[in-house]
Amino acid sequence: ETGVTQTPRHLVMGMTNKKSLKCEQHLGHNAMYWYKQSAKKPLELMFVYSLEERVENNSVPSRFSPECPNSSHLFLHLHTLQPEDSALYLCASSQDRRSTEAFFGQGTRLTVV
Amino acid sequence: GESVGLHLPTLSVQEGDNSIINCAYSNSASDYFIWYKQESGKGPQFIIDIRSNMDKRQGQRVTVLLNKTVKHLSLQIAATQPGDSAVYFCAENYFGNEKLTFGTGTRLTIIP
Repeated sequence: ETGVTQTPRHLVMGMTNKKSLKCEQHLGHNAMYWYKQSAKKPLELMFVYSLEERVENNSVPSRFSPECPNSSHLFLHLHTLQPEDSALYLCASSQDRRSTEAFFGQGTRLTVV
Repeated sequence: GESVGLHLPTLSVQEGDNSIINCAYSNSASDYFIWYKQESGKGPQFIIDIRSNMDKRQGQRVTVLLNKTVKHLSLQIAATQPGDSAVYFCAENYFGNEKLTFGTGTRLTIIP
């Protein structure tokens, strides 16, 4: 148990659906991240939030929309996804954006059909 | 461009033996390097990190070695246990940058 909780664990959605992934941490961390993990590829950083402000958007398509309403919660809103977006989406948090140690959630396994 | 790669995609080790997982990196400006462990069905878990001004760092049953001359990083796990079976990732970054660069991972299997 890392202290970072993601829901749902699994999600199957059609290309016209709208869904949201949720991440929650009560570690008192100030930085939160979304990563995408695809088979046989390195983890890809998608978004970084520091003190609820987005500080990094790593050229992610607009069909992925993050939201950070407070320092403990992070959402990833999904709409009109493509089958190639199927992957494991991981949320992580760290004390601050300069911390070397990130704590990851268990991820949401997303399948787009 | 920046890249972090691993020499072998899979590694099998007899339980109780030591294992060594290797990683090559290309960014000579990296300030620190991190090893993560990812067990099946779980997110990556921080194991140990090392700053670029160090050659060696030890943790509990793990040792990380950094050779900046050849841009090589290794993770040594002593007296491996079944619970060490996982995918191991190396990652690198420099201070002031939020974007960790991860390798593709090495799957370590411990044979009973």
